[in-house]
Amino acid sequence: DIQMTQSPSSLSASVGDRVTITCRASQGIRNDLGWYQQKPGKAPKRLIYAASSLQSGVPSRFSGSGSGTEFTLTISSLQPEDFATYYCLQHNSYPLWTFGQGTKVEIK
Amino acid sequence: EVQLVESGGGLVQPGGSLKLSCAASGFTFSGSAMHWVRQASGKGLEWVGRIRSKANSYATAYAASVKGRFTISRDDSKNTAYLQMNSLKTEDTAVYYCTRFPPDYWGQGTLVTVSS
Repeated sequence: DIQMTQSPSSLSASVGDRVTITCRASQGIRNDLGWYQQKPGKAPKRLIYAASSLQSGVPSRFSGSGSGTEFTLTISSLQPEDFATYYCLQHNSYPLWTFGQGTKVEIK
Repeated sequence: EVQLVESGGGLVQPGGSLKLSCAASGFTFSGSAMHWVRQASGKGLEWVGRIRSKANSYATAYAASVKGRFTISRDDSKNTAYLQMNSLKTEDTAVYYCTRFPPDYWGQGTLVTVSS
């Protein structure tokens, strides 16, 4: 099974900061990866698909990069509404999906 | 507009059974694979399983943690997917979400509590 290692598990940042979250796959997954934002009591919301494509309606301050085993989600200028938990999800290892452990972004 | 609405959650005793539903609208349900994902309180997301379309023989797959206890099915005439959960354990307590492939839209989730 493919394992996804997400880091950091949490971070504290200020409004306006640049934030980077990383997911590493235990084997190559091409670009079969998405990034999700989840707020308390809510369902996950997809931000990025195919590793680097921005989901329609998602602000352009969110971006994704990577392919193969290393992937990155970047928030270029953190906004108050961005404080949430972020997950990566790989769907390359048919038929199984694997999530990263999550990164909680908190206010500094 | 794509909508997924889960229902059927509740309180059940260990060893009991529960059947969740996921009602879909706004897309061609019959042509889509449907997945279930769960999240225990304060924990991360865990893939539970999936069912493919009729064209792919309604093939199912499950996480090791639920294999042999959970069964996913679908009724394309009702645009609904189901998760039958048997031999429930306390560690199955979680919010259960349904989503499709690609995993762009998710339901709001339904809470399953396994406790005596």
